[in-house]
Amino acid sequence: AQKITQTQPGMFVQEKEAVTLDCTYDTSDPSYGLFWYKQPSSGEMIFLIYQGSYDQQNATEGRYSLNFQKARKSANLVISASQLGDSAMYFCAMRDSNYQLIWGAGTKLIIKP
Amino acid sequence: GAVVSQHPSRVICKSGTSVKIECRSLDFQATTMFWYRQFPKQSLMLMATSNEGSKATYEQGVEKDKFLINHASLTLSTLTVTSAHPEDSSFYICSARVQQFRAYGYTFGSGTRLTVV
Repeated sequence: AQKITQTQPGMFVQEKEAVTLDCTYDTSDPSYGLFWYKQPSSGEMIFLIYQGSYDQQNATEGRYSLNFQKARKSANLVISASQLGDSAMYFCAMRDSNYQLIWGAGTKLIIKP
Repeated sequence: GAVVSQHPSRVICKSGTSVKIECRSLDFQATTMFWYRQFPKQSLMLMATSNEGSKATYEQGVEKDKFLINHASLTLSTLTVTSAHPEDSSFYICSARVQQFRAYGYTFGSGTRLTVV
């Protein structure tokens, strides 16, 4: 069965430090997509970064990068130079063959000043 | 581009009444809309997938008679919570699949926080 696992329910990080949010996935499909979304307390889902299963290079979007290790089935999100505004819930998701998103449980990130 | 406008953002209703949530695609045609429900501190749970002009496909355990989904046009999808009860209080989010979008396929409404009293 297809599944996304986020093992960190919550994380505290000092401002300006880098942070890695873990995500592992399970699928037998050769073609899939992996997403990271940020959800602040307002509830909106903010797209951060995408990695396709056939992409050769790790995706980067500004301060966000995705550490894609296909053999280990992991897609960790790295946020460099964390800011107070990065405090939010972070969700890892995988697009399945029906184009539905399978969601992880999420990680609550709190940035300390 | 590819904006989904979701209304209302917050609604409080009395137990037994019905509530309609609308999601409009403003600058694209949403052929597929996903409806999610999210309880506090939990992940998104897919309720149903709707395709324009056809009946919605509900996930297992979701009551189709209670959560009526209509996707009659390419720009509007609605979720009606019928005979709402306090246990229906939750955060509801719609999401449209978008092709040729930098998010590689998905845009989200801003969510509706439903409180049933």
